[in-house]
Amino acid sequence: DAGVTQSPTHLIKTRGQHVTLRCSPISGHKSVSWYQQVLGQGPQFIFQYYEKEERGRGNFPDRFSARQFPNYSSELNVNALLLGDSALYLCASSLPQGRNSPLHFGNGTRLTVT
Amino acid sequence: ILNVEQSPQSLHVQEGDSTNFTCSFPSSNFYALHWYRWETAKSPEALFVMTLNGDEKKKGRISATLNTKEGYSYLYIKGSQPEDSATYLCASPIISSGSARQLTFGSGTQLTVLP
Repeated sequence: DAGVTQSPTHLIKTRGQHVTLRCSPISGHKSVSWYQQVLGQGPQFIFQYYEKEERGRGNFPDRFSARQFPNYSSELNVNALLLGDSALYLCASSLPQGRNSPLHFGNGTRLTVT
Repeated sequence: ILNVEQSPQSLHVQEGDSTNFTCSFPSSNFYALHWYRWETAKSPEALFVMTLNGDEKKKGRISATLNTKEGYSYLYIKGSQPEDSATYLCASPIISSGSARQLTFGSGTQLTVLP
């Protein structure tokens, strides 16, 4: 089975622009989460979606938004990009239930804002 | 402890050495503790998800223990090999979220195993 796939792998944008990152979960996984990872820190939670509904949002400004589609794939959108948005964005999918279920991560999208 | 904290931040060991790292997490309202291994240019890979106090899990040469009352977990690697070089992350669900899928991660321990 294919793992979690993210696209694009790398992206360079200019301040003020908008970006859309995409994620396809493992088949059968209905929960998708987004994390931001900056150098020297652990991943920071941005959003979780389950069955196309937002189930949680981390401490990120309203410039960040996301959605989940009927096939459980997901998009993360960031508007009015700032230099500080430069980071690795990780998508993770998981089974919807189970205390012991781990997250399964994609390879991430490296976003550089200049 | 309000956040998930890991120590040391980085570690260099010789091939064949055994090593261990620490993860501290909020002990109140404990739900689960995750360990992930993150190799360069790859995606983070789940090692263990631990839920019971006193739990011990093992995967090959890697094992982990959990103390939920005092809020810490240890990850042990026996006979380290160069392929064990990676960043090891621990994470626990965000207490206020009510969801086991919204994790707070530590900053990781970067392990380098020298041949």
